[in-house]
Amino acid sequence: QVQLVQSGAEVVEPGASVKVSCKTSGYTFTTYQVYWVRQAPGQGLEWMGWIDPNSGGTTYAQKFQGRVTMTRDTSITTAYLQMSSLRSDDTAVYYCARNKDGLGYWGQGTLVTVSS
Amino acid sequence: QSALTQPRSVSGSPGQSVTISCTGTSSDVGAYNFVSWYQQYPAKAPKPMIYDVNKRPSGVPNRFSGSKSGNTASLTISGLQADDEADYYCCSYGGTYTVFGGGTKLTVL
Repeated sequence: QVQLVQSGAEVVEPGASVKVSCKTSGYTFTTYQVYWVRQAPGQGLEWMGWIDPNSGGTTYAQKFQGRVTMTRDTSITTAYLQMSSLRSDDTAVYYCARNKDGLGYWGQGTLVTVSS
Repeated sequence: QSALTQPRSVSGSPGQSVTISCTGTSSDVGAYNFVSWYQQYPAKAPKPMIYDVNKRPSGVPNRFSGSKSGNTASLTISGLQADDEADYYCCSYGGTYTVFGGGTKLTVL
């Protein structure tokens, strides 16, 4: 069965960087885009960007360009989200999702807390 | 790339029908048949309910249906049940971007 399993919660200081992983299984990793979506506490869903695991090509939301890097390691069918220069308003749950039939499968989410 | 516009809240009694609207632009909702809807319970990951405007993933009851007219998409839930009470988000592809709605809280009275 298709699964996306994300890395655990992180607490980082303002100005630091964080890297979240999304380990996929149950399908051919290189066939479908992986999206990243975040949700701040009490807020809605926000699209951050996507990566094509086959080519490594990426598309980022304008808001995050320059601060976000999405990568993948096809040998371990894992996608990564790295975000730098973190601020308190980056505190959120970060989700990865597979782009087939809409965002048909989601990871469980990773809480990133930005605090000193 | 402004967020799609959804009503903040809707409500209905068990057995009734409710419709949630989702208004975008001619660059996203109006341009592509790639509108999807997600149900989210508190502290849970979103669950896909509708994709490609009106298709239901396996396991989603046919009480949930989607449609689109111009720049506005809609999710209709018929035969409301208590466990339909959740937040619902629309989402649209826009070529070089993807955009979500602000979310609608559905209350089952």
